[in-house]
Amino acid sequence: DAGITQSPRHKVTETGTPVTLRCHQTENHRYMYWYRQDPGHGLRLIHYSYGVKDTDKGEVSDGYSVSRSKTEDFLLTLESATSSQTSVYFCAISRTSGGAGADEQFFGPGTRLTVL
Amino acid sequence: RKEVEQDPGPFNVPEGATVAFNCTYSNSASQSFFWYRQDCRKEPKLLMSVYSSGNEDGRFTAQLNRASQYISLLIRDSKLSDSATYLCVAEFSGNTPLVFGKGTRLSVIA
Repeated sequence: DAGITQSPRHKVTETGTPVTLRCHQTENHRYMYWYRQDPGHGLRLIHYSYGVKDTDKGEVSDGYSVSRSKTEDFLLTLESATSSQTSVYFCAISRTSGGAGADEQFFGPGTRLTVL
Repeated sequence: RKEVEQDPGPFNVPEGATVAFNCTYSNSASQSFFWYRQDCRKEPKLLMSVYSSGNEDGRFTAQLNRASQYISLLIRDSKLSDSATYLCVAEFSGNTPLVFGKGTRLSVIA
């Protein structure tokens, strides 16, 4: 299994509070991703990173920010959590991104976040 | 627009049955395709990559039809342990992340 962990695994918080989720990898992969998964919507990309301090937005980036100061860590921050951000959050990593030689993505175990 | 479309199911099949899933993708230039499996309350995991010539791994066969822009997954001799959600995945350009379909749910019944 790819060396990818997420913390915390479960979190309950209140509306308006800041929340930071951490993704840590030991594979030295260049690309890291944050997704949320909700019933009826599948996996939706929030933000991704293609190197240290290099990030880009995904399809559902509003209300989220990310940072990557080291290759192995990718942080997802909800500045002021809302109930609509209750979801399961998955981190993923890959060696390459798109193209003919696109590599698979490896996923972390997920974080279940509940915003009350 | 980058889209990967799948029939959400559920597909309920008896043990031993053969079941097939199709998935369509919106960009004719896409070059890499995958099938992932996701068990309930778990992370997605790669089931198999999909090559132009098609590929087989035991009871699982994946095929690509570029002319019609779809990929398929065939599962033969279904087992109870095959019950899961199957995600179709395509890449849409050289520098953007893979795009995941919403998944097709399979339940294999004894």
